Order: sequence, then C-alpha cells, then structure tokens
Amino acid sequence: DAKTTQPNSMESNEEEPVHLPCNHSTISGTDYIHWYRQLPSQGPEYVIHGLTSNVNNRMASLAIAEDRKSSTLILHRATLRDAAVYYCIPRRMDSSYKLIFGSGTRLLVRP
Amino acid sequence: ETGVTQTPRHLVMGMTNKKSLKCEQHLGHNAMYWYKQSAKKPLELMFVYSLEERVENNSVPSRFSPECPNSSHLFLHLHTLQPEDSALYLCASSQDPFSGNTIYFGEGSWLTVV
Repeated sequence: DAKTTQPNSMESNEEEPVHLPCNHSTISGTDYIHWYRQLPSQGPEYVIHGLTSNVNNRMASLAIAEDRKSSTLILHRATLRDAAVYYCIPRRMDSSYKLIFGSGTRLLVRP
Repeated sequence: ETGVTQTPRHLVMGMTNKKSLKCEQHLGHNAMYWYKQSAKKPLELMFVYSLEERVENNSVPSRFSPECPNSSHLFLHLHTLQPEDSALYLCASSQDPFSGNTIYFGEGSWLTVV
C-alpha cells in the first residue's frame, strides 16, 4: 500500500480558498487518489477521487501532479462546516475495499 | 444522512457483558464493513462482507464476532471486552467491495468498556 504524508493540521479563514497537500511518492500506476473527510462526531464521507487528470465536483477540486507523487485538495471557499479531518488515500481499484486511512489533516476554519 | 444507520449511538458495557452493535444500510449495496477508530489512531478495517460472506477478517480478536444475516444488515457481537476496546465503531457499505465504489459510512457507535 502506498504511504501518504499530510500536514497534521491547517488553518483557514472562512470564505477563503484552502489547499490541502498530500505526498504519495510510492503510489502505483493503478492507484486512484481518493479523499475522504470526517466531520466531528461523524463517520468519514467521500469527497473526490482521480487518477491523472484534475477533477472537480460540487464539494472540491483535486489537482494531481504530473508525476502523480503528490496531489492537492482544493476547497474554493471554506465554510465553518468544512472543519474536519481530511484523508488522502491511494486506492487500488481491484482490491478497493482496502480503504487504508492515515492520520489525515485536521482543518480548522476561523470565522 | 448517508443511508447507513447504526444503533446504539452510545454504549457503556462491563467487561463481562455481552452486547451487540447493529448496522442497517438503505442503499441497496452488497458489501458491508466494520471499522474501529480509537483515540489518537487511524481508522482500522476490521471485517468486510460481500453478499453476506466474510471476505476479510483483519486479525481481529475473537471477542468481536460479526454477523451478516442479509446484505442490508450487519451486526458486531461483543463479549468479554477489555477497556482498551473502547472506541468508535463505524459501519460502512458500498455497491461491492472490488470495484472502487464509494464507501458510505454510518455515524458510528461510541463504545465504552468499564
């Protein structure tokens, strides 16, 4: 399983963009990059995933480096509800039940 | 509301008690999971079921006994637990476990063993 490195914590002001980095230098060519987040007192929830190209959805954008050794989750306008722990998870699609969580990045959003 | 419901939300039990955690998914999924989240530790996958058959048992002690009577329900039977088993137990489901589908989590059951 590919190892990931994320900052322990980050802070942002409300309504400002947030860039959450993740290093996954040992990622294999068949691993998708998934992001989940865990709001306080809740289970994790899916945010976004991608393989090589940048991806957008209603929650966030995912920018993937050309060499795929790092990626950045972008929240375009942080809200207080975005305060959560964000997990970057390389995931093989053929053994994909192995969603291996690391320590993640705790995002604090200041009003 | 994720479509995965766990009960009870909070449980306090003694080390000699027997209790069960229940999970129900309303998403028509075929795979269900139990995860454990201890304080200061990452989430750990415990068990995976696909169409009511167990496909993963991640070296979990036998004092935790899962049961999947059908694809919508998953139980975790608990007996003679230790205080270090106190944790948040999360149930999850996905369409199937082998195709990279999104995994949907419940809100968890907070377990305290005294």
